[in-house]
Amino acid sequence: SQQGEEDPQALSIQEGENATMNCSYKTSINNLQWYRQNSGRGLVHLILIRSNEREKHSGRLRVTLDTSKKSSSLLITASRAADTASYFCATARSSGSARQLTFGSGTQLTVLP
Amino acid sequence: SAVISQKPSRDICQRGTSLTIQCQVDSQVTMMFWYRQQPGQSLTLIATANQGSEATYESGFVIDKFPISRPNLTFSTLTVSNMSPEDSSIYLCSVILQGGNTQYFGPGTRLTVL
Repeated sequence: SQQGEEDPQALSIQEGENATMNCSYKTSINNLQWYRQNSGRGLVHLILIRSNEREKHSGRLRVTLDTSKKSSSLLITASRAADTASYFCATARSSGSARQLTFGSGTQLTVLP
Repeated sequence: SAVISQKPSRDICQRGTSLTIQCQVDSQVTMMFWYRQQPGQSLTLIATANQGSEATYESGFVIDKFPISRPNLTFSTLTVSNMSPEDSSIYLCSVILQGGNTQYFGPGTRLTVL
């Protein structure tokens, strides 16, 4: 079963606007990773944030992590039509040596030109 | 990062047959995984592919249905056995490189079972 939930399930914005997606999870984590998937293709890794980090930036991406609330957010600034895709958060468990990922349900982002 | 290839990229198969999917990585990896993504859904972990030993399966997945091999550090196969239309999904392999935590995904194999 899915550990994480993402909201919104779908988001539609105009080009140039910012897009924010949220992810919640249930158990202790080692890290949280965000991925993008275009039209059912392979996943592209966007950013990894460790459990002891609170915020991370990469280009137009900003990720926050609040372990007390077991939640994360992905902000895409100045969105482009090419950002249209599904976005998934995935958590790696903190227990043992296992580093399997548990995925959230995903957010479908549509950026309108 | 790593270059991960999967073969085939897509296939259409008949009910009751089996399909073997290959995953090849161009770098030394510590861990390899297989995931399934059913239509319109998120990804679900099938198993961890262990080098030279039996794979570790997640709840709901069994070796008889999804036999996995990993003969070396950079190659793994997943077989979908005795297929039914419910097996129609995208199957993705993923890897963690030596010394890292980031999990990289292959391009996926889109399977349709008629």
